[in-house]
Amino acid sequence: GDSVTQMEGPVTLSEEAFLTINCTYTATGYPSLFWYVQYPGEGLQLLLKATKADDKGSNKGFEATYRKETTSFHLEKGSVQVSDSAVYFCALPLGRALTFGSGTRLQVQP
Amino acid sequence: SQTIHQWPATLVQPVGSPLSLECTVEGTSNPNLYWYRQAAGRGLQLLFYSVGIGQISSEVPQNLSASRPQDRQFILSSKKLLLSDSGFYLCAWSLTDRVGGYTFGSGTRLTVV
Repeated sequence: GDSVTQMEGPVTLSEEAFLTINCTYTATGYPSLFWYVQYPGEGLQLLLKATKADDKGSNKGFEATYRKETTSFHLEKGSVQVSDSAVYFCALPLGRALTFGSGTRLQVQP
Repeated sequence: SQTIHQWPATLVQPVGSPLSLECTVEGTSNPNLYWYRQAAGRGLQLLFYSVGIGQISSEVPQNLSASRPQDRQFILSSKKLLLSDSGFYLCAWSLTDRVGGYTFGSGTRLTVV
């Protein structure tokens, strides 16, 4: 069935470093793909999305490109900040609901 | 604008006690509603979803149940809590279940002691 697989964390970076969080998917067809972010003690927020192959979603300096050739939707940011410390989830629709990856914790040190 | 409210924010309950968590959505009609659980340090597990009043789909058979008595109200319940019910419970809504993405509530942290 459809699923997403994320790289395991935690990912620890220094401020202004480049970030990549890997996400690969298995799906029938070309579903929409999503990245959500969860700050400590809070619910999840939609970070960005892509609705078709080759689309690039972007928000708050984060980007992810829907690549059907490699079935990937990796999250990137050129220069992370301490405030980006959070857990990041990749997701895709499965039936009538979203299925989420296991989450990747990012810790950014000053 | 649409908003989602979830309460309580924190709850400590003894084993064997009942549970009722409530979620309401404002500013929209006929939303799809979802309950997820996040165990400590783990990903999200879909528990229930609803596409309309009185329509509940259960994804994981367990000690919990859900109800949707009104269009924008979604309730998660248990008659007798287990230690394994501890976790972070998240309610979410969406307008479309394929493309639109979700809006999540702020969550309820449940500790069963």
